[in-house]
Amino acid sequence: ILNVEQSPQSLHVQEGDSTNFTCSFPSSNFYALHWYRWETAKSPEALFVMTLNGDEKKKGRISATLNTKEGYSYLYIKGSQPEDSATYLCALDNFNKFYFGSGTKLNVKP
Amino acid sequence: EAQVTQNPRYLITVTGKKLTVTCSQNMNHEYMSWYRQDPGLGLRQIYYSMNVEVTDKGDVPEGYKVSRKEKRNFPLILESPSPNQTSLYFCASSYTSNNYGYTFGSGTRLTVV
Repeated sequence: ILNVEQSPQSLHVQEGDSTNFTCSFPSSNFYALHWYRWETAKSPEALFVMTLNGDEKKKGRISATLNTKEGYSYLYIKGSQPEDSATYLCALDNFNKFYFGSGTKLNVKP
Repeated sequence: EAQVTQNPRYLITVTGKKLTVTCSQNMNHEYMSWYRQDPGLGLRQIYYSMNVEVTDKGDVPEGYKVSRKEKRNFPLILESPSPNQTSLYFCASSYTSNNYGYTFGSGTRLTVV
């Protein structure tokens, strides 16, 4: 079992704030790193898949970076909106076996 | 519409009564996988399949079986369910290259009493 850790566990921000969360993983067991957004009562939806050290990906106000040598990825949300409220999951793809973190639950207050 | 369809959405059953949760995808994905989600824990992989007739154990395969006789279907079988299998189950699929991430089903909430 590979340990994928996410921090913080939960986060409360005000509308308009920018925020970021961390995903840490064992750097020696790496093929790809996934980020998912999971809204309550829905299914997780893919945000990013990153494979290369130094990768940066962006989708609207959300972006992510990857450092495979030190084993971490950051997810950034610029100018948070109430509709960004969700749990954000990261997952380590260890050559077709996946290990998910427990998620960061984001609550954006209007 | 591209989707992963799981059935049933909710199921309450008794200990020891065999059940099957179905999963079907219409995107011609090679890779399919089952996960369970329990409070305080991340999604944990039960089984996965790289293609037809190719299946492999994930992290928590005990008490479960799967089959992949057709590309689109990947049922999860609980031969003798026990209360510790009460959980929220997700099926997911992707292309083998997985450059775009998984597409998840809507989930099946199983209660074993």
